Amino acid sequence: ILNVEQSPQSLHVQEGDSTNFTCSFPSSNFYALHWYRWETAKSPEALFVMTLTGDEKKKGQISATLNTKEGYSYLYIKGSQPEDSATYLCALGGSGYSTLTFGKGTMLLVSP
Amino acid sequence: GAGVSQSPSNKVTEKGKDVELRCDPISGHTALYWYRQSLGQGLEFLIYFQGNSAPDKSGLPSDRFSAERTGGSVSTLTIQRTQQEDSAVYLCASSLNRAPVETQYFGPGTRLLVL
Repeated sequence: ILNVEQSPQSLHVQEGDSTNFTCSFPSSNFYALHWYRWETAKSPEALFVMTLTGDEKKKGQISATLNTKEGYSYLYIKGSQPEDSATYLCALGGSGYSTLTFGKGTMLLVSP
Repeated sequence: GAGVSQSPSNKVTEKGKDVELRCDPISGHTALYWYRQSLGQGLEFLIYFQGNSAPDKSGLPSDRFSAERTGGSVSTLTIQRTQQEDSAVYLCASSLNRAPVETQYFGPGTRLLVL
């Protein structure tokens, strides 16, 4: 059983603040690391998939980095907006596993 | 293009009744997954299909849960004799194939409440 940990569990920031979350995972059998955004009453939406240590992906004001050797990924949001309020999930794709293993998510609330 | 769809959106049922949840994956996606999220928990893997076969059913919590997929497309998750602990959001996802690097595309979920 893979253990994917996300921190913090929840975060409340003001509009315009920059923020970051952490996803930790076992580095053995690593194949890919996914980030998803899940807004209330909507489908989880894929943000990034990363495979190589040192990978950095960017989508608008959201970016992510990956360190497979030490088993962590950071998600950064620069200048948070209320519409960024969502639960951010990371998921590990491991070699030999049928599916992704998800963390419990970080719930972000951005107040105007 | 059309995404993953699920029905019903919401389902309220009485303890002991059977329920069927439906998932329509993206056309051409060979892999299909069922997850659930109970209150305060993360996404829990239930079952995975490759085509019409289910190579991994390890996540099904009990023999009251079953799933099938027909024509390499639509899938149905059936819960028999529902219990209150079955209350959760049930999510379906599909991907082009089952490689760990493939993005899974999720449906909006079915919110099940067992009274």
